Amino acid sequence: DAGVIQSPRHEVTEMGQEVTLRCKPISGHNSLFWYRQTMMRGLELLIYFNNNVPIDDSGMPEDRFSAKMPNASFSTLKIQPSEPRDSAVYFCASSFDGAPGEQFFGPGTRLTVL
Amino acid sequence: GENVEQHPSTLSVQEGDSAVIKCTYSDSASNYFPWYKQELGKGPQLIIDIRSNVGEKKDQRIAVTLNKTAKHFSLHITETQPEDSAVYFCAVYSGGGADGLTFGKGTHLIIQP
Repeated sequence: DAGVIQSPRHEVTEMGQEVTLRCKPISGHNSLFWYRQTMMRGLELLIYFNNNVPIDDSGMPEDRFSAKMPNASFSTLKIQPSEPRDSAVYFCASSFDGAPGEQFFGPGTRLTVL
Repeated sequence: GENVEQHPSTLSVQEGDSAVIKCTYSDSASNYFPWYKQELGKGPQLIIDIRSNVGEKKDQRIAVTLNKTAKHFSLHITETQPEDSAVYFCAVYSGGGADGLTFGKGTHLIIQP
């Protein structure tokens, strides 16, 4: 099993630009989570999907952030327009309903907004 | 919402000694308690977990204990080795529609040779 796959691994962009992060969950998993990690705030849940449907997006910081899951094997997190305070490592994780809470993380995308 | 406190923030032990990291939580409905290890530049890796119907679980050199009454759980690493150096996160899962994990702030474990 390839595990959770994220791309790109690193992204450097300028303030105001659109950023799209991508995630492929583990095959067979039906829940997908987007987290953000910073030194100040630690690991924060942004949004999660179950069976491709967004269930809880209360962690999304503001309207500049949006996430989609068009099918069971792909999700995107988009930031438009990006700001320097969005600089962080963004992780995608997946799990399946038979093992609630047991989440497996991808390697993350390190985003730097200049 | 759930509140998770993790201590200590940094722990330095001699190679071969034991390390213990503790977490407390606030929601008595929480029922799953995983521990993650994060190495530099990598994502958190699930290393051991425990569900609320069990008081202790062991896997080789690592173990987790849970006290539901006191709402705390601990990670124990015995015979520490240099490769144990990493940041360790506890997490709590409450379920019931709030399916995300709530994480502690992390413990930087340093194994001194």
